[in-house]
Formats: sequence, C-alpha cells, structure tokens
Amino acid sequence: NAGVTQTPKFQVLKTGQSMTLQCAQDMNHEYMSWYRQDPGMGLRLIHYSVGAGITDQGEVPNGYNVSRSTTEDFPLRLLSAAPSQTSVYFCASRSGQGWNEQYFGPGTRLTVT
Amino acid sequence: SQQGEEDPQALSIQEGENATMNCSYKTSINNLQWYRQNSGRGLVHLILIRSNEREKHSGRLRVTLDTSKKSSSLLITASRAADTASYFCATVLVQGAQKLVFGQGTRLTINP
Repeated sequence: NAGVTQTPKFQVLKTGQSMTLQCAQDMNHEYMSWYRQDPGMGLRLIHYSVGAGITDQGEVPNGYNVSRSTTEDFPLRLLSAAPSQTSVYFCASRSGQGWNEQYFGPGTRLTVT
Repeated sequence: SQQGEEDPQALSIQEGENATMNCSYKTSINNLQWYRQNSGRGLVHLILIRSNEREKHSGRLRVTLDTSKKSSSLLITASRAADTASYFCATVLVQGAQKLVFGQGTRLTINP
C-alpha cells in the first residue's frame, strides 16, 4: 500500500491565485481530514469527511473548500490564496471503525507571496 | 484554542537518558493519542490510550493518563539519537467525536 499520498510537495502561489492540493489513500478508509501546521501552533483541522459525499468544517475552514466524490480522494481547494495561508498542509485518513490511529501524508509546503 | 497543551515546549537530553513529556487537556475525552514528527515529515502514530485506561506500554514508550487531572505523560526510556523529533498529543473529544485535536508539541533533541 502507498498509504496517504499528497501532491505537490512544494508550491508557491501569488496572492489571489487558486489551486488544489491533492490527497489520496489506498487503505479504503472512510474518514479523511486536512490539517495545516504553522510554527508554534501545532496542527489545526481545516475540513474533514466521514465518507464519500459527506464533508464538514473543522477549526479553521475559511478560505478552503473540499469535496469527497470517492472514498480514495479528498482534494483541498484554495479559491483565492492569501499570505495567511502560507503553511504546511497535511492530509490524514483513518478507518471509520472505532477510534484508531490516523495515517498522515508527507505534507505540502505552500508559500503565498 | 488548542485542546492539548504539551510541556515542555522543548527538551534536550543526553543519549541513554529518559525523556518525559506532558500533555494537559481541557474537556472530556474518548481517548488520547501520541504522535511523532521527524523534521520535514508527516506525523506517525505512536500509541493510543483510552479514557478508561491508566497506563500503556509499547516498546520503550510508556504513556499514562489521569482523567481526574486531565493530563497525560509520554515517557521514552533509554533515548537514542533517532528519537530526536517533535512529539504531539492529540485528543478525541467526547463531544464532536469525529475530530482529533492536536496540541502544540514538544521538540525533543537527543544529544549523542
């Protein structure tokens, strides 16, 4: 299994540009989530999904959209990038059966200038 | 605001010594998990302890949970240089149980 994969690894955007961060998992996990990690802030939950077709907001959802059309994929869209969105983004997944460990992707480092 | 708060924020010890990190949280939890993050990498799950458990072991790791004090500790025994990483506690709340809420982490450095 490849586990949780994320693309791209690095991205530089100009203010106002849009882009999609890709996340995929091959473990048939129902639950997927997106976090951002800023220095000294730990990980903060952006959006999450408990299954295909179901998404919900986390702690810091503003400026981000998600969709979950398949079990495998959970893309994160930035509609109009802002410098405050400069961060490292992690996707994670876990089985929906009970509370198990989360598996994290390697992260995407995003810089907005 | 963060549910979990780790203490200390940074810890530097000699190889072979034990390392202890603490985590405090604010609201009732279903379980508490510890993760490790090596520099520039994703997080790796270490251990999960449920609210009705008081202590768990996994290799050189020992985790305790005191729900009356709303705190947990992670002990790494006989530390190695490869243990150098950031360690995060994360809580699964009783309310809003789909979310895993992370603390700010402890940066552990093991000096050879």
